[in-house]
Amino acid sequence: GAVVSQHPSWVICKSGTSVKIECRSLDFQATTMFWYRQFPKQSLMLMATSNEGSKATYEQGVEKDKFLINHASLTLSTLTVTSAHPEDSSFYICSARGAGGGDEKLFFGSGTQLSVL
Amino acid sequence: AQSVAQPEDQVNVAEGNPLTVKCTYSVSGNPYLFWYVQYPNRGLQFLLKYITGDNLVKGSYGFEAEFNKSQTSFHLKKPSALVSDSALYFCAVRGENSGNTPLVFGKGTRLSVIA
Repeated sequence: GAVVSQHPSWVICKSGTSVKIECRSLDFQATTMFWYRQFPKQSLMLMATSNEGSKATYEQGVEKDKFLINHASLTLSTLTVTSAHPEDSSFYICSARGAGGGDEKLFFGSGTQLSVL
Repeated sequence: AQSVAQPEDQVNVAEGNPLTVKCTYSVSGNPYLFWYVQYPNRGLQFLLKYITGDNLVKGSYGFEAEFNKSQTSFHLKKPSALVSDSALYFCAVRGENSGNTPLVFGKGTRLSVIA
């Protein structure tokens, strides 16, 4: 099946620094990618939807200047957490969908655990 | 607004016994319902979906789920659990009339199958 690679799987950073998370579709072209955030024992919360070559669409309450999303190619999307603070510590998951794909064709990365000290 | 509830954080079952992971939902109109599974250090994987038709849906790895409209539920079941079924399970929903909006996920239920 299709594979989505997410890197890094975990990262620890100091408060005030920026962290970049990569999401790559390894064997298909991902026209749409989604970024989710999950707090312990809570639902996956959609942060933003990105389509290749266009600006990401952010969900209400998500700061676009803090969570920068770039989807410059059909196989790569990045999420940059800028000026990270301890409250940004969370589990971040990306997912990717190819052209014409339904929800059963939604493939997920393995997630990134971010800890901000 | 769409929402999904998975009332159990953890489900423990002995190997060979039947298992049920519960899910209830709330959407406008008819629901599109999904189950995904996440094994350790892996991304979420699609298990099964209900769009229309037979209320009992069969999916991967011997799992099935039953759509119950009156109870707004879509519980995941398997007749005989395996240790290898131990994983994190997510229920997700989208309304029929919600266009191409992304899925709404539950918080996940961790299944532990004990040998």
